[in-house]
Amino acid sequence: RKEVEQDPGPFNVPEGATVAFNCTYSNSASQSFFWYRQDCRKEPKLLMSVYSSGNEDGRFTAQLNRASQYISLLIRDSKLSDSATYLCVVILNTGGFKTIFGAGTRLFVKA
Amino acid sequence: ETGVTQSPTHLIKTRGQQVTLRCSSQSGHNTVSWYQQALGQGPQFIFQYYREEENGRGNFPPRFSGLQFPNYSSELNVNALELDDSALYLCASSFPPGSSYNEQFFGPGTRLTVL
Repeated sequence: RKEVEQDPGPFNVPEGATVAFNCTYSNSASQSFFWYRQDCRKEPKLLMSVYSSGNEDGRFTAQLNRASQYISLLIRDSKLSDSATYLCVVILNTGGFKTIFGAGTRLFVKA
Repeated sequence: ETGVTQSPTHLIKTRGQQVTLRCSSQSGHNTVSWYQQALGQGPQFIFQYYREEENGRGNFPPRFSGLQFPNYSSELNVNALELDDSALYLCASSFPPGSSYNEQFFGPGTRLTVL
């Protein structure tokens, strides 16, 4: 089982749609959680951190459920510019630090 | 503020050779992490350096090694290159893990091709 698993995608949605990405992690030593965005042939960039209380940044909402070891990202009112790969990221502390990326979910937003 | 830089941008090597990739961290950051990203996959964690010491390692063999220098720049060395080592190698700098602010800032990567 992979340490971080994401929806395989790709997701093809029209502009204005709401889209949800899901991610699960297997290691209970996971202590920090993030969503990163990666555009084609570019480096990953932080989209948002994820907290147990849930957090929102404009059209983006992230949720963490530690009991279920589950992370989600909701994008409302999708824009063409949201087209990218979304990466779920977990930091483990097992005596040393490891940053684990999911394989990513590709999103295509079409006009 | 100077961002993360990596060199070279592209590199072609043959099987069995050795390669050194370089990374300069963002100003103010003392932690550097290295990743390998194959096409269509997420970045795979190789290792992390904090204050010139390795403080975390992923599932990569010992022929992947690294260094961090007093100015927090870093090198990734790969010995005995294999065809499967062909990938994009990404470097990211940050404040130490466990900090209240631990976003990783990535460089543009080095594209390594092994023939």
